[in-house]
Amino acid sequence: AQSVTQLDSQVPVFEEAPVELRCNYSSSVSVYLFWYVQYPNQGLQLLLKYLSGSTLVKGINGFEAEFNKSQTSFHLRKPSVHISDTAEYFCAVILMEYGNKLVFGAGTILRVKS
Amino acid sequence: DVKVTQSSRYLVKRTGEKVFLECVQDMDHENMFWYRQDPGLGLRLIYFSYDVKMKEKGDIPEGYSVSREKKERFSLILESASTNQTSMYLCASSPPGLPENTEAFFGQGTRLTVV
Repeated sequence: AQSVTQLDSQVPVFEEAPVELRCNYSSSVSVYLFWYVQYPNQGLQLLLKYLSGSTLVKGINGFEAEFNKSQTSFHLRKPSVHISDTAEYFCAVILMEYGNKLVFGAGTILRVKS
Repeated sequence: DVKVTQSSRYLVKRTGEKVFLECVQDMDHENMFWYRQDPGLGLRLIYFSYDVKMKEKGDIPEGYSVSREKKERFSLILESASTNQTSMYLCASSPPGLPENTEAFFGQGTRLTVV
């Protein structure tokens, strides 16, 4: 069963425009949520994570994400993107009933145009 | 800095060969993971291990096996390589799943081509 769904495979956006990358997860009693970024020819780097507490999570490079339990979503946002944000972004989840298994979505390629 | 090192960045192997992909981490992490990354499919979990000599199947274990004889090393084995195993393979490690420690660190990846 698919645990994480990223709704857009590619998102093109102009520089300095806002962007939202969407992520939905399978409903679970207890869940940890992550966004990772992969720049061209590089490994994955953690952007931000939600473990508990405040539903608005701030990460590196001006990104933030909001955990919405009722909609089982964890969308990633940035108010103004730069060319350097061009990368592939992965949403990931640990569903606690499955222990430490870290499951990723299919990824969203963000293309920032000048 | 946490370091996860994969032994090769690029590898070319022949169909039917037995292939070993090695991963070493230097942070004494309990958990280690092997994923394959394919365009449009994201990262798919092959196997993971939460302790020495322990292993759990991920979502796509068929055609693969793993070995974890020491805490710092997690090996992925392709018993008889096939062309559909051509992919990017990523290794990751993480501390135990306590909330404050829940983060996975990734290696640079091994791009395997099976011809």
